[in-house]
Amino acid sequence: QVQLVESGGGVVQPGRSLRLSCAASGFTFSSYGMHWVRQAPGKGLEWVAVISYDGSNKYYADSVKGRFTISRDNSKNTLYLQMNSLRAEDTAVYYCAKDGGPGYLGSWGQGTLVTVSS
Amino acid sequence: SYELTQPPSVSVSPGQTARITCSGDALPKQYAYWYQQKPGQAPVLVIYKDSERPSGIPERFSGSSSGTTVTLTISGVQAEDEADYYCQSADSSGTYVWVFGGGTKLTVL
Repeated sequence: QVQLVESGGGVVQPGRSLRLSCAASGFTFSSYGMHWVRQAPGKGLEWVAVISYDGSNKYYADSVKGRFTISRDNSKNTLYLQMNSLRAEDTAVYYCAKDGGPGYLGSWGQGTLVTVSS
Repeated sequence: SYELTQPPSVSVSPGQTARITCSGDALPKQYAYWYQQKPGQAPVLVIYKDSERPSGIPERFSGSSSGTTVTLTISGVQAEDEADYYCQSADSSGTYVWVFGGGTKLTVL
């Protein structure tokens, strides 16, 4: 049974940093690409970033490029999202998700809420 | 940038058929995927590769594709199908970005 558990969310001031984590279990973590997707309160889904199974390739949405960094530690079965220079518009529930196959997201965590506010 | 367009809302009575569309210029070249999201829950994949149904998803969910439009069809809608539905695809220009439609709220009257 695939399980993805996000953590690290909270309230942070604009301009500050935060690191999210996603602990994975129930599958061979080192064999799958992983994503971060976010959802602002009352809004739709927005893809944020993806990392390949071995961490060698990373791609980002334009809205976070240069501020957010996706990474992974396959020895710890954990995915990360380092978020710098946070803005009010980054306020959202952040989900981690496992590649379901080329082009889509198969399994999702329950999300962690990030609130950027002074 | 690449966009996918969905109607904001669709309403149907129980037992009727709901059709939710998603339009995008790259859809003739890229597969589309559909996710269901109920309030307070994470999204769940209900259709992949335009028309394939994952195991555990009821047969009343189906998908189709025609040109720049893909359609999620729910036959014999049940009250439990009330949810937000999102289409998703990939930018085919080689920039490796995943794109979601704006979402459609399905209301079961």
